[in-house]
Amino acid sequence: TQLLEQSPQFLSIQEGENLTVYCNSSSVFSSLQWYRQEPGEGPVLLVTVVTGGEVKKLKRLTFQFGDARKDSSLHITAAQPGDTGLYLCAGAGEETSGSRLTFGEGTQLTVNP
Amino acid sequence: DVKVTQSSRYLVKRTGEKVFLECVQDMDHENMFWYRQDPGLGLRLIYFSYDVKMKEKGDIPEGYSVSREKKERFSLILESASTNQTSMYLCASSPYGDTQYFGPGTRLTVL
Repeated sequence: TQLLEQSPQFLSIQEGENLTVYCNSSSVFSSLQWYRQEPGEGPVLLVTVVTGGEVKKLKRLTFQFGDARKDSSLHITAAQPGDTGLYLCAGAGEETSGSRLTFGEGTQLTVNP
Repeated sequence: DVKVTQSSRYLVKRTGEKVFLECVQDMDHENMFWYRQDPGLGLRLIYFSYDVKMKEKGDIPEGYSVSREKKERFSLILESASTNQTSMYLCASSPYGDTQYFGPGTRLTVL
């Protein structure tokens, strides 16, 4: 069974601060996705990374896929209250079929004004 | 835009009742999934389906069954609801590939 561990589980920061969320595994993934979930809604895809070492930027969010494709990080610069939500990483295994994903436990981010 | 809808946002049932949760997607996706989400445990896969009438067990299928009679509709069935099935249930669909599109979720409470 492939596992993804996210850290930290909870993060509460002030507006304007920077933060990094980590997603780690002992397994290799063919791709890794990051989702954000707001209260009362389903997760929404932010980004997919597929190549080891890949870095993608989405405004103030920077996503990185580890060289060995076992880990990923999400860095937010100058966090804003609108960034508040549950961040989930999800990996597509090299040996799993179709679109099955393994999800991390999530990081609950609160950005205080 | 992809739209995944779930039949109820909130549902309250009694122990022993049979519960149906329905999910409909409008983008002709082959794959559909049912997850439950509990604090600290992330999303856990219950069942998924690659095609009409096809189903495969996920990580926690016990106490659940599914039905996919039409491509756009995937139903989750709790044959005899129990209190430990109180949870948020999320449906997702996906074309061939990895990205999953989620519905808004059904918060089920079993009393």
